Amino acid sequence: QQPVQSPQAVILREGEDAVINCSSSKALYSVHWYRQKHGEAPVFLMILLKGGEQKGHDKISASFNEKKQQSSLYLTASQLSYSGTYFCGTEMGFGNEKLTFGTGTRLTIIP
Amino acid sequence: GAGVSQSPSNKVTEKGKDVELRCDPISGHTALYWYRQRLGQGLEFLIYFQGNSAPDKSGLPSDRFSAERTGESVSTLTIQRTQQEDSAVYLCASSLGRLAGSSYNEQFFGPGTRLTVL
Repeated sequence: QQPVQSPQAVILREGEDAVINCSSSKALYSVHWYRQKHGEAPVFLMILLKGGEQKGHDKISASFNEKKQQSSLYLTASQLSYSGTYFCGTEMGFGNEKLTFGTGTRLTIIP
Repeated sequence: GAGVSQSPSNKVTEKGKDVELRCDPISGHTALYWYRQRLGQGLEFLIYFQGNSAPDKSGLPSDRFSAERTGESVSTLTIQRTQQEDSAVYLCASSLGRLAGSSYNEQFFGPGTRLTVL
């Protein structure tokens, strides 16, 4: 089942902060976050595993609430380069490594 | 090293024709994934390979779609008797795979093939 992301779109001024949320109705093994710029392939940002491990870029932070099956991506002091569509991808269990991607959140940063 | 590559980058075909899309994963990546992305939409899972086997084909929309992988490397997605609804960007991704020991298993995407069915 497709995870739900919120908000669907957000506009920020450079330097402002944003939080993007991803919710699933099923138990998750991991949550992945990707950013996609128009006409380009998605780029890996962060992965959070059940149990607390995570891996990602230094300037990106995220959380994973296993009880609620929710993840949040935190973008602080946003830069123009942060613009794009953010997708979460959820993985149900070890052994089936496919990702089910969320509906996407379009982020626009204005100077 | 090189990233994931896909060919062709663009394909225009007529309704009813067959098309083949190719994906070359990152060398050493045992897992390979195909996704479809319609204009302005999210990524839709199609099929996933672990080595040359496909443990999950659940996302293939119809029996017109098939995929294979050989030599634990190149994969081909074939769409037979294309329909206008097949128009989309087809994205391939690869990862080391957890069975190969990668606990995080982040996926790396290719640039995609934009398919237009007239």
